[in-house]
Amino acid sequence: AQTVTQSQPEMSVQEAETVTLSCTYDTSESNYYLFWYKQPPSRQMILVIRQEAYKQQNATENRFSVNFQKAAKSFSLKISDSQLGDTAMYFCAFMKPRRMVYGQNFVFGPGTRLSVLP
Amino acid sequence: EAGVVQSPRYKIIEKKQPVAFWCNPISGHNTLYWYLQNLGQGPELLIRYENEEAVDDSQLPKDRFSAERLKGVDSTLKIQPAELGDSAVYLCASSSGWDPYRTDTQYFGPGTRLTVL
Repeated sequence: AQTVTQSQPEMSVQEAETVTLSCTYDTSESNYYLFWYKQPPSRQMILVIRQEAYKQQNATENRFSVNFQKAAKSFSLKISDSQLGDTAMYFCAFMKPRRMVYGQNFVFGPGTRLSVLP
Repeated sequence: EAGVVQSPRYKIIEKKQPVAFWCNPISGHNTLYWYLQNLGQGPELLIRYENEEAVDDSQLPKDRFSAERLKGVDSTLKIQPAELGDSAVYLCASSSGWDPYRTDTQYFGPGTRLTVL
């Protein structure tokens, strides 16, 4: 069974600074996908970034980038130039390819609550 | 493009009463997911549909929970009877599943916050 761990329940960062959120996972699969989702206080879950395990290059989306270490099963999220609107819960998620019909197809971590301070 | 729509946004009921949640996925998305999210925790998958077929319902408490997705579009999740421990946010998500060998990104609705008194 797949598990996702986020060891930082809460973090804070000053506006305009950089912060890194940690995520580790456990799987015996070789082909999978990893995601970071953001959930602001309004509760709408929003995709931040996605990484495919077969790609060695780390994904980037504007101010958001990941450090994907497949051998270490680590998938951290770096937020550069933090903005007040980045305040939210951040969830790391693991997903097996959809052809794996049954089982833990999609697993979320427990989340990290990030507060961006003015 | 409209996002995933859920209703109601909030629901308060007495224990032992029935309750139903409705989800309309993004147009063209044939994969639909229902999740349960307890306060301060990550979502947990309840059921996944590929078109009309429930392909993963292993985490759905079938004694009191049921779901349907008639015609492969809208979906309804029902609880009967509700218990105090069912108080949570129920999230619906959808993804475009045209390629069975790839995982597609899930897009989430705003959720329904259920309070059971």
